[in-house]
Amino acid sequence: DTAVSQTPKYLVTQMGNDKSIKCEQNLGHDTMYWYKQDSKKFLKIMFSYNNKELIINETVPNRFSPKSPDKAHLNLHINSLELGDSAVYFCASSQEPQSGNTIYFGEGSWLTVV
Amino acid sequence: KQEVTQIPAALSVPEGENLVLNCSFTDSAIYNLQWFRQDPGKGLTSLLLIQSSQREQTSGRLNASLDKSSGRSTLYIAASQPGDSATYLCAVRHGSSNTGKLIFGQGTTLQVKP
Repeated sequence: DTAVSQTPKYLVTQMGNDKSIKCEQNLGHDTMYWYKQDSKKFLKIMFSYNNKELIINETVPNRFSPKSPDKAHLNLHINSLELGDSAVYFCASSQEPQSGNTIYFGEGSWLTVV
Repeated sequence: KQEVTQIPAALSVPEGENLVLNCSFTDSAIYNLQWFRQDPGKGLTSLLLIQSSQREQTSGRLNASLDKSSGRSTLYIAASQPGDSATYLCAVRHGSSNTGKLIFGQGTTLQVKP
């Protein structure tokens, strides 16, 4: 069973559209994250939630809105998509202490805005 | 501001060689440091995690060291195999808790030739 799963894996959409990427973890972790990997392969945190509460919000346009309905899910909604939003978006989760603070990543969602 | 740098950006070695990947960080106030592997088109897999109080961790042919005072970590891969070909990412969890930001280096892309 996949520990951190995100859907869709691939998404091609037009500029101006609104889209969502869903993430679920079955590890019982309290903390979930969204990371963005750009064309240069640089991974950067966008958001972090702990027990459904936002604890890290990097300088991300407010077109990006994370939603955590429960601690096993952290969805990313993007409004008015722009060409520069094209990237790979990774969901991740972690828990202290039983996972040894290891962070587990999903397989990524490849977003292409045309 | 914490910055993580990995050298070299790319490395190509013949099968069987031992090799060292380097990671440096600018701020020694880290909670832990983690090494990941990323295969093309895939997510990240955690390889080793070193807590700030530890000096090294080993898993199979992999050994990671941490020198917090000098802001350095190395990943040693013994007897490299073609299956080790991937991008290796170093990440530091900044701050004093497990919910701090994970800041990534840009990775070292390793190719092991048969």
